[in-house]
Amino acid sequence: DVKVTQSSRYLVKRTGEKVFLECVQDMDHENMFWYRQDPGLGLRLIYFSYDVKMKEKGDIPEGYSVSREKKERFSLILESASTNQTSMYLCASRTGTYNEQFFGPGTRLTVL
Amino acid sequence: LAKTTQPISMDSYEGQEVNITCSHNNIATNDYITWYQQFPSQGPRFIIQGYKTKVTNEVASLFIPADRKSSTLSLPRVSLSDTAVYYCLAYGGATNKLIFGTGTLLAVQP
Repeated sequence: DVKVTQSSRYLVKRTGEKVFLECVQDMDHENMFWYRQDPGLGLRLIYFSYDVKMKEKGDIPEGYSVSREKKERFSLILESASTNQTSMYLCASRTGTYNEQFFGPGTRLTVL
Repeated sequence: LAKTTQPISMDSYEGQEVNITCSHNNIATNDYITWYQQFPSQGPRFIIQGYKTKVTNEVASLFIPADRKSSTLSLPRVSLSDTAVYYCLAYGGATNKLIFGTGTLLAVQP
């Protein structure tokens, strides 16, 4: 079974803090993704990576950065957390363009 | 990127067949149509994917007409545990991006 794990299920941070969300997949997938999910807006793509050290902006990259130093790990970084970044963050991975994405359980981040 | 449109919500009863239709008028030649299911507090889960005609697996069927401007996800004999949000996506070709819309909330009642 493919497994995508995220470092925390729930996280509470203060405005201005630097926040790291970690995602690890165990199936040697090339592509990895970070989404955020908000009520009424569905899932929106923040960043994705199609290989180690490669990254591309999604639809809402502002206020975020990513790091992919190893194939199995894709990190989402909030340089200075703001209250409007309170959301559910979902990581996913897949092996190729036409293949299904496997999602992690999500991290619910609250920024106070 | 093809934009998809699907109903916001649907209601059904246990044992019924449910059909959720998705429109994707500007689908590209090399786009596939994919459906995901999401339960509360979980990440989406892949259900089925197809390019044209009909695809069936152990969970659902996917019907895609010849013009590919729409598709229908069919869930046979739904149960309470099928209550979830269902997302239709069209993607592939020149992009790695999946565009998720707001999905269809299917509520199955006893």
